[in-house]
Amino acid sequence: GENVEQHPSTLSVQEGDSAVIKCTYSDSASNYFPWYKQELGKRPQLIIDIRSNMDKRQGQRVTVLLNKTVKHLSLQIAATQPGDSAVYFCAERGAGGTSYGKLTFGQGTILTVHP
Amino acid sequence: DVKVTQSSRYLVKRTGEKVFLECVQDMDHENMFWYRQDPGLGLRLIYFSYDVKMKEKGDIPEGYSVSREKKERFSLILESASTNQTSMYLCASSLTGHGANVLTFGAGSRLTVL
Repeated sequence: GENVEQHPSTLSVQEGDSAVIKCTYSDSASNYFPWYKQELGKRPQLIIDIRSNMDKRQGQRVTVLLNKTVKHLSLQIAATQPGDSAVYFCAERGAGGTSYGKLTFGQGTILTVHP
Repeated sequence: DVKVTQSSRYLVKRTGEKVFLECVQDMDHENMFWYRQDPGLGLRLIYFSYDVKMKEKGDIPEGYSVSREKKERFSLILESASTNQTSMYLCASSLTGHGANVLTFGAGSRLTVL
C-alpha cells in the first residue's frame, strides 16, 4: 500500500523567513499530491496541489516541488507570517481502481512562526 | 456555510460501549471517508465509501465498521469501544472524477474512551 514519510515533525522559524517541509512517498503510480493546512482547532483545508505531470507549482507565497524519480515532494512557504502557524500535511493519491479518490497522508509538520 | 457536518464534537464513552459517529454532507459528493487523527501519526484512513451501500477498508479498519444507507450520510461505528480508540475522528467527502482530488473535511469528533 501507499506510504508517506514527512519531515520535519516540528519546524520553528522567524517571521519573514522561509519554511520547507519535505515528504517521500512509496507508490510510483501515485498521480496527485495535495498539501493541507490545519490551524489549531480547525479542519484541514487544501492549500496547494500538484499532479504527476508537473514538477513545480506556485501559489501565493507557496511553492510545491515534485521529483518523481526519487519520489520526493516539498512545500516551501516564503516570507512566513504568524498566520502560517499550523499543522501541514502532505498526501498522495494512488492510481486506479477502488483507491480512486483515497488519500494517504504524511505524519504532519507543526510549523510555528515567531513574530 | 458548513458543508460536512459531524454531529458530535466531543464524546466521552466507557470501554465496551457501542459508539456511533455521524457525518452528513450537503454537496452531493459520491465519496466519503473516515480518518483518525493522532499526534505524530497524521491522518490515517479507517474506511471509505464511493457509493451508497458500498464500503472499502482503509489502512486501520480493525475495531470499526461503517454504514452508508444514503448518499449524504456516512456513519462510523465502534462496536465495543476501547481506550486505544481515544482519538480525533475526521469525516471527509469528495466528488468522483477530477473532483475526487479535493477533500472537504468536517470539524472533527473528539472521542475519549474511559
